[in-house]
This record gives sequence, C-alpha cells and structure tokens, in this order.
Amino acid sequence: GQNIDQPTEMTATEGAIVQINCTYQTSGFNGLFWYQQHAGEAPTFLSYNVLDGLEEKGRFSSFLSRSKGYSYLLLKELQMKDSASYLCAVGNNAGNMLTFGGGTRLMVKP
Amino acid sequence: DAGVIQSPRHEVTEMGQEVTLRCKPISGHNSLFWYRQTMMRGLELLIYFNNNVPIDDSGMPEDRFSAKMPNASFSTLKIQPSEPRDSAVYFCASSGGAYNEQFFGPGTRLTVL
Repeated sequence: GQNIDQPTEMTATEGAIVQINCTYQTSGFNGLFWYQQHAGEAPTFLSYNVLDGLEEKGRFSSFLSRSKGYSYLLLKELQMKDSASYLCAVGNNAGNMLTFGGGTRLMVKP
Repeated sequence: DAGVIQSPRHEVTEMGQEVTLRCKPISGHNSLFWYRQTMMRGLELLIYFNNNVPIDDSGMPEDRFSAKMPNASFSTLKIQPSEPRDSAVYFCASSGGAYNEQFFGPGTRLTVL
C-alpha cells in the first residue's frame, strides 16, 4: 500500500520562500507529482520527479530523494495568489495510478 | 483543447435518488480516473480505466456505486440509491501529458439531502 504524509497547514509571508515537505512509504514507485488546488477548483499539475535531485520551474522547484522517501516543493517570491492547497502524489508501478496525500493548505499573508 | 469536461457541475438530490455523473476525457488520453474529495478524507481514487477497461475499482465504496466507459470519449459514475454521506466533490481526470500526468475536470459538487 501507500502512505503519504504532508503538513496540514502552513503560513508564509508575501515575497518569502516556503518549503512544503512530503514523505511517503510505497510498495512501488513510479514518480512523484505535486499538484496545486485553489479553493473550489480542480487540482492542476505543477511538477514531476522520478530521479533524485531538484527540478526547477520558474518560482517553483521540487526535490526528490528516493532512498529517504522524501520530497519537497519550494515556492520562491511568494505571491498572494499562491494561497492554495498543495497535494503530493505518488505514482505506483501499476500503470498510471496516483495516490494523493491529504494536501497542505498554504496561506500567504501580506 | 477543451480539457476534461464534467457534467453537471452541481447536483442537489434527495436521499434514495439515482445520481449520474458524466465525464469526457481529453482526446487521445488512454486512462481515465474517478476521484471523490471531502474535507475529512481528502482526494480518494474510486476507479481507474485504461483503454476503456476498468483496471482497479478497489476504491469504489460499495455496490451502490458503479462506473462505465462505453467508449474512449465518455464515462459515467452512477450512485443508486444515493445517501447523504455521498455528498462530496467528484472529479474525473485523464492522463497523457509529457509525464503521463493527470488532468482534472472541474468537478461535480454533489449534495444529497
């Protein structure tokens, strides 16, 4: 089975940097995904890591350590519009299935 | 591309009634997923189709729930009879991007009174 843990809530200040952690235990691994979900909307894809290391995409970066079962999403130069839930999801070996963590609700304050 | 299309966007019904949710995946995507999201349980996978064939339905809560995918461009999720605890947002997603990532539809907010 899959077990994915991430903090429930985080608060940060506009312009700052925030790191959202995700740990997982899985019976199979086929990549780690991060999704953003604004209140009342659908999740949207942010990033994908399958090899160890850092993937950077503009203000957002995602890191993966497979040996530690650990990932983080780094958001730089925070903006008010970054207030949302961030979902960590692990792909298993059986096709395209994802198991989602409970999500981290990020509140960005002025 | 129009993205994943779901209907209806909102559904309010009474306990015991049949509810049918509809989904049109992105053209060319081979996999389709139905999820349910609540505050208490988060985002849960209900069932997953690959090339129109159900692959894993272990997340379907009970026999009141059924899903079909008669062709590559259409899927339904049916709840019969509906109960108040079925109230949730139901998302449909299809996969096929560069990383085989999933693209979500706007969701159907279901309220069972």
